[in-house]
Amino acid sequence: NAGVMQNPRHLVRRRGQEARLRCSPMKGHSHVYWYRQLPEEGLKFMVYLQKENIIDESGMPKERFSAEFPKEGPSILRIQQVVRGDSAAYFCASSPSGGVSYNEQFFGPGTRLTVL
Amino acid sequence: GIQVEQSPPDLILQEGANSTLRCNFSDSVNNLQWFHQNPWGQLINLFYIPSGTKQNGRLSATTVATERYSLLYISSSQTTDSGVYFCAVGTYSGAGSYQLTFGKGTKLSVIP
Repeated sequence: NAGVMQNPRHLVRRRGQEARLRCSPMKGHSHVYWYRQLPEEGLKFMVYLQKENIIDESGMPKERFSAEFPKEGPSILRIQQVVRGDSAAYFCASSPSGGVSYNEQFFGPGTRLTVL
Repeated sequence: GIQVEQSPPDLILQEGANSTLRCNFSDSVNNLQWFHQNPWGQLINLFYIPSGTKQNGRLSATTVATERYSLLYISSSQTTDSGVYFCAVGTYSGAGSYQLTFGKGTKLSVIP
C-alpha cells in the first residue's frame, strides 16, 4: 500500500547545474501534480499531468523548468541551470481522477532542493 | 485567481486544550482539503470536505461552501498535533485543468 514516492528526498546542486526530481504516483492513480513550497509559505501549483500529456503548466516558470509523465516510469520535474531562487521543497501529488467525482490529492514526502 | 486566507497564523496551546482553525476563500470552489504538515515536512491528509461535516477521532471539519469558509476543530490537543495546518481549495479551469490553491497555513504549537 505504497503512497506517493519521491526521490531524491534531498538534492544539492551548484548554480548552473541541472536538477531532476522524480515522482511515482500511488497505485491506480493516473493524475500527477507538482507544487513548490518556499520557506514559511504555502504550496504553489506548478503543473498538472496525465500519462503522456501536460494538462496545465500555468504555474511553472516558462524558462528552465519542464515536466513529463511518460507512459512508463515516474513523472520527472526538470530544472535546468538552477539558481539560488530555485531552492525550495518540491512536492508531488497524485489523484485517482481529475474529474468532479473524486479527486482527492495525496502528497509525497517532497524533495528539498538546495542550490549553492 | 482565488484567494485563500487562514486564521490565526500562529497558535500556541496547552496540551489538552481545544482549538478552531478557520479557512476563508474568495470564490466558489469544487473541493476543499485540510492537511497537517508535520515538523519533518510531510503533508498528511486530514479531510477531503467540499461541504458538510466530517469527524476523525479528535479532529473534525465543517465546510459551508455557500458562505465560503471551512473550520477545522482540534479537541484535547496533544504535542504530536504540532505543525502547520493547511487548507487547500480545488478549482477547475478551462481545458480540463484542476489544481489546489493553498492558504499560508496556521502554525500550531502544543506545549506540555
